[in-house]
Amino acid sequence: SQQGEEDPQALSIQEGENATMNCSYKTSINNLQWYRQNSGRGLVHLILIRSNEREKHSGRLRVTLDTSKKSSSLLITASRAADTASYFCAFLNQGGKLIFGQGTELSVKP
Amino acid sequence: GAVVSQHPSRVICKSGTSVKIECRSLDFQATTMFWYRQFPKQSLMLMATSNEGSKATYEQGVEKDKFLINHASLTLSTLTVTSAHPEDSSFYICSARDRRTGTANTGELFFGEGSRLTVL
Repeated sequence: SQQGEEDPQALSIQEGENATMNCSYKTSINNLQWYRQNSGRGLVHLILIRSNEREKHSGRLRVTLDTSKKSSSLLITASRAADTASYFCAFLNQGGKLIFGQGTELSVKP
Repeated sequence: GAVVSQHPSRVICKSGTSVKIECRSLDFQATTMFWYRQFPKQSLMLMATSNEGSKATYEQGVEKDKFLINHASLTLSTLTVTSAHPEDSSFYICSARDRRTGTANTGELFFGEGSRLTVL
């Protein structure tokens, strides 16, 4: 399967703690992106990291990419209850298709 | 960012009927659109790539006669679920590539809000 793998599948933390999600893929990629999806809603694009970049920041988000290991991580610092959602990595393969990981369901308890 | 509109957002139909879902790029031309399906608590699975003016290309395991895709203009792609059955109930999401932001393969993708199909 081309689909990316994510871990953990589910993560439950307290408000204020950091949340780390990992993603692995198998093919060559142009870039890797992270999305958030609230229950029953559409996707919200969070951040994109290109294949020649190693780390990127956006507000409380930090994304790393290791192309030698074919893996990426998303760190959300100082989490809030409003961060509760499903998070998906998605990689753009060489054919221009965006393939999604299996997702991590994050629950942040107030 | 660019806007992609999907319609309808929710549809309920009887088993055996056909349902059409529209995906429109509102402020850019999209030569390529993608259709995804998402079952509850699962990830998005790419169903097909819709190319303006040519036939769609389907991912392995997706029935092209079941899921008809038409991309007749640079701003509209439609997905028709033919003879829908309860197992087709799902969340269908489209995305459109903005060629202005990259090449044919790397232009930025923008997602619609999704269409929830319930087949009774």
